Amino acid sequence: ILNVEQSPQSLHVQEGDSTNFTCSFPSSNFYALHWYRWETAKSPEALFVMTLNGDEKKKGRISATLNTKEGYSYLYIKGSQPEDSATYLCAFGSSDSNYQLIWGAGTKLIIKP
Amino acid sequence: EAGVAQSPRYKIIEKRQSVAFWCNPISGHATLYWYQQILGQGPKLLIQFQNNGVVDDSQLPKDRFSAERLKGVDSTLKIQPAKLEDSAVYLCASSLDWPTPNNEQFFGPGTRLTVL
Repeated sequence: ILNVEQSPQSLHVQEGDSTNFTCSFPSSNFYALHWYRWETAKSPEALFVMTLNGDEKKKGRISATLNTKEGYSYLYIKGSQPEDSATYLCAFGSSDSNYQLIWGAGTKLIIKP
Repeated sequence: EAGVAQSPRYKIIEKRQSVAFWCNPISGHATLYWYQQILGQGPKLLIQFQNNGVVDDSQLPKDRFSAERLKGVDSTLKIQPAKLEDSAVYLCASSLDWPTPNNEQFFGPGTRLTVL
């Protein structure tokens, strides 16, 4: 059974501070790793999709890294703002899972003003 | 570009009642997904359509859940009869092409179902 773990489950961060959290996934049969942001009462939206070991992606103050050999990805937020408060989900795509993504339970980020 | 539309946004029903959810994907998107997200867990794929054909429904509880995508556009997901453990957010998503694992999925806002 494929399993994706995210840690921590929740995180309170002071506005202006930087933070990061982890997504762990199986290190075999890797195809892709997705990060999504889900704000309360809104639709989940894609942040990044990464496919190569060592990939680093950046969008504004948010960046992500990927290590497929050891099975983890980090998401970094620099200078947290209140609008960053959301649940951050990662999803692992395997080359042998009939194309479906396996999702983590998310990290809930709360930015304290 | 209009996003994925879902309705209703919220639904409260008694156990053993029936309920239906509707999804309108982004125009031109061939693949449509229905996910169930139970509180504290990650989204679980229930069913995946490519146009109007089912690609994967291995995790759909077929004794009570059904889904269709007539004409390869809109889709409905039905639960009959509902159980307490069906309380969850039901997310619909769509993607442009064949569902390879690197395709971006575009999500609707979800339907929050509470079964009492």
